[in-house]
Amino acid sequence: AQSVTQLDSQVPVFEEAPVELRCNYSSSVSVYLFWYVQYPNQGLQLLLKYLSGSTLVESINGFEAEFNKSQTSFHLRKPSVHISDTAEYFCAVSRVGNYGQNFVFGPGTRLSVLP
Amino acid sequence: DAGVTQSPTHLIKTRGQHVTLRCSPISGHKSVSWYQQVLGQGPQFIFQYYEKEERGRGNFPDRFSARQFPNYSSELNVNALLLGDSALYLCASSLGGLADTDTQYFGPGTRLTVL
Repeated sequence: AQSVTQLDSQVPVFEEAPVELRCNYSSSVSVYLFWYVQYPNQGLQLLLKYLSGSTLVESINGFEAEFNKSQTSFHLRKPSVHISDTAEYFCAVSRVGNYGQNFVFGPGTRLSVLP
Repeated sequence: DAGVTQSPTHLIKTRGQHVTLRCSPISGHKSVSWYQQVLGQGPQFIFQYYEKEERGRGNFPDRFSARQFPNYSSELNVNALLLGDSALYLCASSLGGLADTDTQYFGPGTRLTVL
């Protein structure tokens, strides 16, 4: 079975400051990794994903995440945040070869960007 | 193009009642998954359906059931509602098929409150 840990339940940060949201996973088999964002009263939106290849993946709105197999981590970073980045961020894993697509989500990190 | 749609958006029921939630996937998507998101937690996988057949099931009691129709829309049914069933129920659609790298796209969710 897979599990996901997001070490910080809440992260307050000032606008234009850098931020890192941490994600660690546990799995005995290979996994795919995802970050989803949930804005207030909305569903989940895919932010970025790691399937294979380069361990550094980027989103269109300036976020990036790096897959570190030895540390079983997939931390999300942004060099300069905006007020509009305020949301809940979820890290998720899916087992390679799992055609049932059973995503396992972490508990989430609430990012609050302060003016 | 329309995204994943869910109905109703909000629902209030009392203990012991039954509820049916509905989901329409993105056009061309053949797989639908259901997740339960309790307040303050990450989504938990309930079911996945592909081509009208159950492909995966999470750790939920038999009070939870689902089905997928020929047009790929889906219903989630919950019988004998408990207070603990109060949650945001999310539907996600994906292309399906044999690609385990399929990306899931989420709907806005149905907020169920059990009194």
